[in-house]
Amino acid sequence: DSGVTQTPKHLITATGQRVTLRCSPRSGDLSVYWYQQSLDQGLQFLIQYYNGEERAKGNILERFSAQQFPDLHSELNLSSLELGDSALYFCASSVREANTGELFFGEGSRLTVL
Amino acid sequence: GIQVEQSPPDLILQEGANSTLRCNFSDSVNNLQWFHQNPWGQLINLFYIPSGTKQNGRLSATTVATERYSLLYISSSQTTDSGVYFCAVATGAVIKAAGNKLTFGGGTRVLVKP
Repeated sequence: DSGVTQTPKHLITATGQRVTLRCSPRSGDLSVYWYQQSLDQGLQFLIQYYNGEERAKGNILERFSAQQFPDLHSELNLSSLELGDSALYFCASSVREANTGELFFGEGSRLTVL
Repeated sequence: GIQVEQSPPDLILQEGANSTLRCNFSDSVNNLQWFHQNPWGQLINLFYIPSGTKQNGRLSATTVATERYSLLYISSSQTTDSGVYFCAVATGAVIKAAGNKLTFGGGTRVLVKP
C-alpha cells in the first residue's frame, strides 16, 4: 500500500459526460501529480500541484482540469468525454519539495467511456 | 523534453533465470525510479535511484548518471515477476520549470514461465 488513495477505482460513463476523479496524497506529502495511461500513449504526465498551486503542466487537454484543495487532496475533472479518454488515471504524491523526491502512485482510476 | 528509452521491449524468461533491463535517458536527471506494473495495473515502487547501486532481495539496480543509463537486475526470476517494468526520470532540480514530473520510458514487458 503506497498510502495514496484514489477514488473511484472503476468508472463507466458515456460520451459527452463529465466525471471527477479524486486523490488523497500520502500523509505529509505536498505535491500531487496526475498521469494518464492509455494503450497507445503509455504513461503521460498531465499536471502537478504543490501545496495548492499548479507547478508543472504536461499534455493535459483543455477539457480536463484539476485542482488541489487546502487539505491537499486533489481532483481531476474530465468533461465532454470522448471514447479516446478511456484510460487508467493515476495520481501520485511526493514529499516536501516541489522539484525533488520519490513519487508514490495510487492504484489508479480506470475510466471507460462508451 | 527528456527522452527515456528502455530495452528490451519484451522479455520471456524461464523461472529461475536471471535478466538485465536497461534504461537510457537523454539529459541530466535528479530523480530516477523503477516501477513494476503488475497484471492488475498497480504501479509498485521498486527503486528510487538517481545514482549508485541498491539491492532489494532478488532485485538490484544501478544508475550511472554521468553516462545516462540505469540497469535493473532480476535474479532467480519467479512467475510473480511477470508484468511491465518502467523506468522514469525527472529533471526538476536541473530545470525548475519542469516541476518534479516523471517522464516514463515505454517499459519492458516481462513474462516468466513456470
